[in-house]
Amino acid sequence: EAEVAQSPRYKITEKSQAVAFWCDPISGHATLYWYRQILGQGPELLVQFQDESVVDDSQLPKDRFSAERLKGVDSTLKIQPAELGDSAMYLCASRPDRGSYEQYFGPGTRLTVT
Amino acid sequence: KQEVTQIPAALSVPEGENLVLNCSFTDSAIYNLQWFRQDPGKGLTSLLLIQSSQREQTSGRLNASLDKSSGRSTLYIAASQPGDSATYLCAVEGAPGLYSSASKIIFGSGTRLSIRP
Repeated sequence: EAEVAQSPRYKITEKSQAVAFWCDPISGHATLYWYRQILGQGPELLVQFQDESVVDDSQLPKDRFSAERLKGVDSTLKIQPAELGDSAMYLCASRPDRGSYEQYFGPGTRLTVT
Repeated sequence: KQEVTQIPAALSVPEGENLVLNCSFTDSAIYNLQWFRQDPGKGLTSLLLIQSSQREQTSGRLNASLDKSSGRSTLYIAASQPGDSATYLCAVEGAPGLYSSASKIIFGSGTRLSIRP
């Protein structure tokens, strides 16, 4: 069964350093989401792509976060510089354009900023 | 602005019981509602998705219902097992926000379910 891949699974970084996360959605899924989930809360959308285009980044802290999906397939989320408050789980999800509207999530990247 | 609430935040029941998890939302103009399961430190696993035109969906021991007019959804789990222990989240998809052309997906904070053997 096809899955959403994410790496790394865990990342520890010092504040003010740069960090990057990678996501490879299920093949053929045009829509890709990046979420941030703080412990004990539900995921919060950071950015949504339709193919290679950003369609929603209203909740993305653009002074330090950036996201790209250059060829409309895999995607990278970057934080520079990282702050203590960025410690969270970063989740990637994808879904197809037609048929089911279900989102399929990857295993996530647990970020700890020290 | 859509708000999604899941009460209680935590629930503990003995094995074998039937149980109901609740999800409420403030804006009834939704496209769909999806229930997920999340094990500690893991990603989310989709359980059921209900389109706005549907009233319920079933998968095995799970049944999800949707009442848009009252802004409520329930997830019914029959004959609970220790392996059902996890956090259950609901997510509502609705109309785009002010700053985007894309539909908005809002999650609740989840109910942490513990099934006692």
